[in-house]
Amino acid sequence: KAGVTQTPRYLIKTRGQQVTLSCSPISGHRSVSWYQQTPGQGLQFLFEYFSETQRNKGNFPGRFSGRQFSNSRSEMNVSTLELGDSALYLCASRTEGVDTQYFGPGTRLTVL
Amino acid sequence: QKEVEQDPGPLSVPEGAIVSLNCTYSNSAFQYFMWYRQYSRKGPELLMYTYSSGNKEDGRFTAQVDKSSKYISLFIRDSQPSDSATYLCAIGHGSSNTGKLIFGQGTTLQVKP
Repeated sequence: KAGVTQTPRYLIKTRGQQVTLSCSPISGHRSVSWYQQTPGQGLQFLFEYFSETQRNKGNFPGRFSGRQFSNSRSEMNVSTLELGDSALYLCASRTEGVDTQYFGPGTRLTVL
Repeated sequence: QKEVEQDPGPLSVPEGAIVSLNCTYSNSAFQYFMWYRQYSRKGPELLMYTYSSGNKEDGRFTAQVDKSSKYISLFIRDSQPSDSATYLCAIGHGSSNTGKLIFGQGTTLQVKP
């Protein structure tokens, strides 16, 4: 089975721009979660989607949003980028009813 | 106080050593516990997961949970240079309705040949 895939792998943006990141979960997994990883804060939960609905949200500003499509693929969007948004953004998928999550390789976002 | 505390290291050991990695947590509502390994510039890879107190073994890896002390450990026997990575503990509430995991800061391990 193919793993979680994320595109693009690397992005460079400037302050004030917006960005969209994409995640394709493992086939059959309908739950997708997003995390931000930085050296200072570690891995922090952004939000989770299941059946095209946001089910949980972490403590991030409204500039961070996401959505999920009927094929379970998910996107996250960050608007009005700030320097502090530079991070590795990770997507994880799981089967409903099972707690173990499997991560993709991440998208490394650099904001200049 | 962070919900999950993990010593970031770095931890350096000789090849063949037994490695002990630890996390403490504050919320007794946490029900399931995982260990991930993350190589540089890669996503976290699931190593072990467990729901209950006690030990769970998989090859050279043993995960240990002590819910009464809110303490979890990962032991690596016969450590290899290929084990050099960052190890992250992750804890969840155990409800299948939430995918939120709370991670420790990660411990960087170097195994020297």
